[in-house]
Amino acid sequence: AQSVTQLGSHVSVSEGALVLLRCNYSSSVPPYLFWYVQYPNQGLQLLLKYTTGATLVKGINGFEAEFKKSETSFHLTKPSAHMSDAAEYFCAVDSGNTPLVFGKGTRLSVIA
Amino acid sequence: EPEVTQTPSHQVTQMGQEVILRCVPISNHLYFYWYRQILGQKVEFLVSFYNNEISEKSEIFDDQFSVERPDGSNFTLKIRSTKLEDSAMYFCASSDASGIGEQYFGPGTRLTVT
Repeated sequence: AQSVTQLGSHVSVSEGALVLLRCNYSSSVPPYLFWYVQYPNQGLQLLLKYTTGATLVKGINGFEAEFKKSETSFHLTKPSAHMSDAAEYFCAVDSGNTPLVFGKGTRLSVIA
Repeated sequence: EPEVTQTPSHQVTQMGQEVILRCVPISNHLYFYWYRQILGQKVEFLVSFYNNEISEKSEIFDDQFSVERPDGSNFTLKIRSTKLEDSAMYFCASSDASGIGEQYFGPGTRLTVT
């Protein structure tokens, strides 16, 4: 069975500071890993994904994530936070056309 | 850019009533999903649908739930007799046949059961 753990239900950063949202997964098969963002009262938008190949993946809005198999991690980073980044972020895993398993989410607050 | 659409955006219903949530997946996609998110909680898988039948379902998807693809475009979730605990945001998603598994989500339907 697959599972996702997101450390920290709430992360607060200053505008311009580094954003680091942590995600660890467990999977018995090679995983596909995703980060989704949910703005207030909206649906889920894909930020980035890892399927195969390069372990550092770049997504929209300046976010990137690195797949580290040895650490079973897929942490999301952004060098400089912007006020518009304030949202809920979900890490998810699947094995290809299987149901996504989501983490509990991390709410990112950006302080001016 | 193609997108998944869902109607209605918000549905209020009384306990015991039947509701149908509607989704229009991306037209060339073959896999369809329903997820729900109870307020303040994580997104949970309900059911997946492929080749006109349920391919997988979770424990949540009990006999009061059903899904249907009544025509070539719509994908519906029916809750036969709603309970208070069914109040949640329901998301539809679809993916293509590439096997990569990227799922495209609709904006969701907020269901409120009173």
